[in-house]
Amino acid sequence: KNEVEQSPQNLTAQEGEFITINCSYSVGISALHWLQQHPGGGIVSLFMLSSGKKKHGRLIATINIQEKHSSLHITASHPRDSAVYICAVKAGATNKLIFGTGTLLAVQP
Amino acid sequence: DGGITQSPKYLFRKEGQNVTLSCEQNLNHDAMYWYRQDPGQGLRLIYYSQIVNDFQKGDIAEGYSVSREKKESFPLTVTSAQKNPTAFYLCASTRTSGSYEQYFGPGTRLTVT
Repeated sequence: KNEVEQSPQNLTAQEGEFITINCSYSVGISALHWLQQHPGGGIVSLFMLSSGKKKHGRLIATINIQEKHSSLHITASHPRDSAVYICAVKAGATNKLIFGTGTLLAVQP
Repeated sequence: DGGITQSPKYLFRKEGQNVTLSCEQNLNHDAMYWYRQDPGQGLRLIYYSQIVNDFQKGDIAEGYSVSREKKESFPLTVTSAQKNPTAFYLCASTRTSGSYEQYFGPGTRLTVT
């Protein structure tokens, strides 16, 4: 079993829909990252959080440390949101990350 | 603009050849990382370095080597000992104090035939 699990693996939505991607982890962490990878391959950091909730534009990330669970929400989804969304956790004393396998999101117009 | 550059974006090699992937950052970050990405799998850590002239093996270091002679540069050599070298390789960097947000390069897609 992976230490970081994401669901769903694949998600297709219609433009304008509210989207939720989930991440569960089984290790103690000091921070959790949400990353976005576009088809070209480059990865962009969306959020890094250790408690509570963060919002940036139409993106919202929440984390529940007790339940070892995080969610990434996209409001009013748009085709340009189509990408792979990756959850990663920082565990241990180093800055090493443990990655989930990603959620492939396709937003159709 | 600050960032991480990786070159080349696409690289083709024959089996049995060593190949070196470049990673340069101008973010003044102390720590640098090499990851490998395969279809259907999460990124896996190959090597990382927290400081110049020091580096540690990650989860899948066999068949790879690195050096860290300068803070800005962390090249990765894929040796002929790596059994399945065809993959997408990502370099990342981060500070070692304050915000630990990782910054990623654009990646190099290596194909070995």
